[in-house]
Amino acid sequence: GAVVSQHPSWVICKSGTSVKIECRSLDFQATTMFWYRQFPKQSLMLMATSNEGSKATYEQGVEKDKFLINHASLTLSTLTVTSAHPEDSSFYICSARVAGRRDNSPLHFGNGTRLTVT
Amino acid sequence: AQTVTQSQPEMSVQEAETVTLSCTYDTSESDYYLFWYKQPPSRQMILVIRQEAYKQQNATENRFSVNFQKAAKSFSLKISDSQLGDAAMYFCAYRSAPGGGGSEKLVFGKGTKLTVNP
Repeated sequence: GAVVSQHPSWVICKSGTSVKIECRSLDFQATTMFWYRQFPKQSLMLMATSNEGSKATYEQGVEKDKFLINHASLTLSTLTVTSAHPEDSSFYICSARVAGRRDNSPLHFGNGTRLTVT
Repeated sequence: AQTVTQSQPEMSVQEAETVTLSCTYDTSESDYYLFWYKQPPSRQMILVIRQEAYKQQNATENRFSVNFQKAAKSFSLKISDSQLGDAAMYFCAYRSAPGGGGSEKLVFGKGTKLTVNP
């Protein structure tokens, strides 16, 4: 149980275009999803916290107009990288917690999306 | 803000031997959760073990165990009888407990790359 599906697993796009990444919780509801970015051989850096039905909370230094997050339902959050540039090339990972669990339940991670901007 | 430090960028161990990965953290909170995640080459984040700060007993999951020293803010991971499949990046992570005033986001260390030699 507690499967998070992330799509696409990899994408190549041209500079200046936009790319949408989907994160779905397949067998549970998630009021909160988290979007992380990981550069090669580095740790996961939190970009934003996605809250169902409300605006996302962005970490300091993350451009909210560039990385648009929408969490329209309890099972789907999307990250759109707008006007992508080569420096946006990275590995993006989403994660989710089961709604209503206020304990030590871990985050469940998607398989990640490798974005390459040419 | 909470920080997590993993002082060993790389570690190696012989198959069947035991290895310990270090993790320290900084927080002013009294209630929180600690996690170890494993990231193999597939980049999928896999939960290895978790620990609640209010529990004095060290968590154990089969060959994986932790040494949790709350006063020292230390949370090391011991892998016994190392197997080739244990080779991966290991990330230590911190999360505030609900109601403690802190964010429920996961804060990761920079990771330790573990190599298992046959």
